[in-house]
Amino acid sequence: ELKVEQNPLFLSMQEGKNYTIYCNYSTTSDRLYWYRQDPGKSLESLFVLLSNGAVKQEGRLMASLDTKARLSTLHITAAVHDLSATYFCAVVTQGGSEKLVFGKGTKLTVNP
Amino acid sequence: EPEVTQTPSHQVTQMGQEVILRCVPISNHLYFYWYRQILGQKVEFLVSFYNNEISEKSEIFDDQFSVERPDGSNFTLKIRSTKLEDSAMYFCASSHGTDLSGNTIYFGEGSWLTVV
Repeated sequence: ELKVEQNPLFLSMQEGKNYTIYCNYSTTSDRLYWYRQDPGKSLESLFVLLSNGAVKQEGRLMASLDTKARLSTLHITAAVHDLSATYFCAVVTQGGSEKLVFGKGTKLTVNP
Repeated sequence: EPEVTQTPSHQVTQMGQEVILRCVPISNHLYFYWYRQILGQKVEFLVSFYNNEISEKSEIFDDQFSVERPDGSNFTLKIRSTKLEDSAMYFCASSHGTDLSGNTIYFGEGSWLTVV
C-alpha cells in the first residue's frame, strides 16, 4: 500500500527566509503532484513531476523529484506572506491507477 | 480558464437522510473523481469514474455511496443514509486522460457536508 509522508506538518517562517518541505513515498510512482490549499478552499495544482531529476519552478516555489530515493522537495525562496497556505504532495501509483494518495499536508505560515 | 464546479457549496443534513452532491467537470475531460477531506485531515480518495463506470474505489466507498453521470455534463455523488462521520468537504475532480505527459487533475471548490 502506498504511503506518503510529508514533513514538517507545520512550518512557521519569517518573510525573506528559505525553507524546504519534504515528501517521501513508499512505492514506485508514475507521477507526483504538489497542491496548495487556502483555508476552506479547493486544491490548486502547483506542479506535476514525472521523471527522476525533474525540477519545476514557479515564482518563489521550486519542486524536484528523486524517484530513486522516492523523495520530492518543495523549496520556498525568500518567502512572502502570500505563500501562507497548506501544501500537499500527492502521488499516483504505477500500473494505470489514477488514484491520488495525499500526504497530510504542511501548513505554512509566513510571518512579516 | 475552465474549472470544475460543484453544488451545493454547503449542505446540512440530518443523520440517515440521503444527500446528492453535484459536479460539472471540465468539458473535454474523460476521468472523474470524488475525494473527501475531513476537517483538519488529509484528502482521501473515494472513487474514480471513466467511460460510464467506476474504474477504482477505496474502502471508504462502501454500499452507501454511489456515483452517476446522468447526462453529458453532470457527475454526482449520492450518500444514501448519512452518518455523522460523513461530515467532510467533498471534492470533485477531473482530468483529461491517463497519459504520462503531465496529466493534471483539477479540483472543484468542494461541497461542505455537515451531518447532524
